[in-house]
Amino acid sequence: KAGVTQTPRYLIKTRGQQVTLSCSPISGHRSVSWYQQTPGQGLQFLFEYFSETQRNKGNFPGRFSGRQFSNSRSEMNVSTLELGDSALYLCASSPGTGTNTGELFFGEGSRLTVL
Amino acid sequence: LAKTTQPISMDSYEGQEVNITCSHNNIATNDYITWYQQFPSQGPRFIIQGYKTKVTNEVASLFIPADRKSSTLSLPRVSLSDTAVYYCLVGDNGNNRLAFGKGNQVVVIP
Repeated sequence: KAGVTQTPRYLIKTRGQQVTLSCSPISGHRSVSWYQQTPGQGLQFLFEYFSETQRNKGNFPGRFSGRQFSNSRSEMNVSTLELGDSALYLCASSPGTGTNTGELFFGEGSRLTVL
Repeated sequence: LAKTTQPISMDSYEGQEVNITCSHNNIATNDYITWYQQFPSQGPRFIIQGYKTKVTNEVASLFIPADRKSSTLSLPRVSLSDTAVYYCLVGDNGNNRLAFGKGNQVVVIP
């Protein structure tokens, strides 16, 4: 079974630009969560999507947005990039149903550098 | 979300048993305790989950006292490859909004 796939793995942007990151969950998983990881703040929850609907949202500004498609693939977008947005962005999938064991399956992340 | 508190870092010698503690004073009745491991430049990996008492799998053991306000992850006879950041999380299994925090950096020394 293929794992969670994130693209691109690395990217460099400049301040003010926008970026779109993609995540393909494990086949059959309907929940996709996004996290931001920085050395100073650790691993912080951004949002979760389940069946194309945002189910939970973390404490991030509106510049951070996401969506989920009917095939459960998800994208997140960051507009008007700031230097502080440089981070590893991780996507995690899970079945997302009531039988959720609590185990999230993470991708390897997309490392964003903002110059 | 219940908040967890972990030591920032700890060292251990190869071959020793490592016990990593986590405090979660505000844990709710429906919350489970879950531990993840993360290597550099990789996403976290699920290790173990429990609700109360003791849970053991092929990788680790999880000890949870009766009041559930803390938990201890035990790694038997660690090797250099166990050097990683370990995260303790609490949350109910219907909620994938998990608070990872900064975790505990464990360094295994030869």
